[in-house]
Formats: sequence, structure tokens, C-alpha cells
Amino acid sequence: DIQMTQSPSSVSASVGDRVTITCRASQGISSWLAWYQQKPGKAPNLLIYAASSLQSGVPSRFSGSGSGTDFTLTISSLQPEDFATYYCQQGNGFPWTFGQGTKVEIK
Amino acid sequence: EVQLLESGGGLVQPGGSLSLSCAASGFTFSSYAMTWVRQAPGKGLEWVSGISGRGGSTYYADSVKGRFTISRDKSKNTLDLQLNSLRAEDTAVYYCAKVSPYSGFIDYWGRGTLVTVSS
Repeated sequence: DIQMTQSPSSVSASVGDRVTITCRASQGISSWLAWYQQKPGKAPNLLIYAASSLQSGVPSRFSGSGSGTDFTLTISSLQPEDFATYYCQQGNGFPWTFGQGTKVEIK
Repeated sequence: EVQLLESGGGLVQPGGSLSLSCAASGFTFSSYAMTWVRQAPGKGLEWVSGISGRGGSTYYADSVKGRFTISRDKSKNTLDLQLNSLRAEDTAVYYCAKVSPYSGFIDYWGRGTLVTVSS
């Protein structure tokens, strides 16, 4: 199975900060990577798919990059509604696997 | 508007069975693969099972293979997950989800249904 490792596990940031989260796959997955945002008690929400494509309706302050084994999610200017947990997920083949999550907290 | 509504969760004893269902609407159900993802209390997301649009191909995580069965009914627009031989570690919120047209990713999620395995 492909292992997905996110870093950091948590980050404290202020409104307006630039935040970067990384995700590393244990083997190459081309661009078969998605990023999701999850708020407490809610289902996850797709932000980025195919490593860098912005899902319809998602604010442009979210962006994704990378291919192969190393990927990043960047929030260019953190907004109050962005405090949440973020997960990467590989869709290169079954079983799909998720990273362990990165919690973005208020500084 | 895409809607996914899970039902069937509840409390079950170890070794018991449960049947989850997901009613889908707002899209052409048979055109898209579907999947189940679970989340144990306070933990991360775990992919559980997937099924192709026509139902001919099914996929399972090793942790549930041989115990869970995924199926779909195109006449009712429902996705089902039969859970057998349940263990305490199966306790989680189970999300029904639609696979995106791009494949490999989930573009819509249900609200989830809680399964608790405990004596």
C-alpha cells in the first residue's frame, strides 16, 4: 500500500499568514493527489484534485503543487474560516490512502 | 444539487452485523463510482471500499476484506455496505461519497452515520 505522510501535524498561524502543508507519498503517484478540508463534526470538502486543480467553488487562496512523491498545499492568506484539519489523499490505485492530517490552529 | 444521505448506523455487539445504506440524488447515479470512507472518533480518514459505476468492480481495504460487502442498486439510486464480524476497531463515522468524474478523488460526501461496536 502507498503510505502518505503529511507535515507538520499541526500549525499555529494568524489571519493573513501564508501556510504551507506538505504531503509525501511512499512511491510515485504522478499527479493522483487530492487535498480535503474538514471542520469539526462535518464531512471533508474537496479543495484540490490532480495535485493542482482547484475544485469549483473553492477560493483561489488555496493552491496545490507537486508530482511524483512530493506535494504541497498552500493557503496564500489565511482566513478565519480556514482553521480546520487538512488531509491529502492518493488516488493512484486501490487501496486509496490518506495522510494523517494537519490541523491549522489559531495563533 | 448532489445529495448523499446515509442511514443504518447504530450500536452493535462485537461479532455482530449491520447494514448501511446511502440514498443518492442530484446526479446520474450509474455514471459514477462510489465509495465508503470511515473516521474513528478523534482520528483521521480511512478509505474502506469502492464500487464502479455499473457495480461490476469492487474494492476493499485489507482491514475489512472478507467482512464488509459493498453493493449498489441503480433502480433505487442507493449504495449499500454490509458490515459483518464487527470489531471494536470498526467503530467510526462512515461516510458515503461520490467519486469525481476525474476518478481517484471524492467530490461529494454525505454527512456520515456512526457505527459503534461495543458490548
